[in-house]
Amino acid sequence: AQKVTQAQTEISVVEKEDVTLDCVYETRDTTYYLFWYKQPPSGELVFLIRRNSFDEQNEISGRYSWNFQKSTSSFNFTITASQVVDSAVYFCALSEDNTDKLIFGTGTRLQVFP
Amino acid sequence: KAGVTQTPRYLIKTRGQQVTLSCSPISGHRSVSWYQQTPGQGLQFLFEYFSETQRNKGNFPGRFSGRQFSNSRSEMNVSTLELGDSALYLCASRSGGVNNEQFFGPGTRLTVL
Repeated sequence: AQKVTQAQTEISVVEKEDVTLDCVYETRDTTYYLFWYKQPPSGELVFLIRRNSFDEQNEISGRYSWNFQKSTSSFNFTITASQVVDSAVYFCALSEDNTDKLIFGTGTRLQVFP
Repeated sequence: KAGVTQTPRYLIKTRGQQVTLSCSPISGHRSVSWYQQTPGQGLQFLFEYFSETQRNKGNFPGRFSGRQFSNSRSEMNVSTLELGDSALYLCASRSGGVNNEQFFGPGTRLTVL
């Protein structure tokens, strides 16, 4: 069965702190895809990143970076020098090969205080 | 390019009524998926459509149905509404192959009284 676990329910930080959001997934497939989405108070899910199971190369994009480790089934997300505008709920999601069905984690609410 | 649009944005219904929600994907996107978001169950997959065909369906009762038109616009219908159907209903579209990133609309917030 497929499952995504985000153990951190809520994280509060002060502006300019670095913060890492954890994501652990379960799947029996060898080909799968992992995503991070951000949901600000407006409600719309905003796509951040997509990774397939064959691409363990970690990436940095501006203040965002991702750490994908198949050995521990983890796909963690780090925001460097957090800003108040980063306050949102962040969702990790999994899809198995050849389906658009996203299986979401329960989300981590990030609050960044000035 | 305009994003995914959903109408209406807010809806209030009473138990037993039915409701139809509409989703217009990003121009050129042929795949549309629907999700339900509630505080208790989180984000759950409802349906996936591609070229007017339902490719996948989540674990929801038959009261939940959907369809996709030739212009890729999609509708979902919920009949005999229950209090537990109160939720944010999100629509997403994608371009290109399966498993590409999906882009979400702002959602329709349905309240059932």
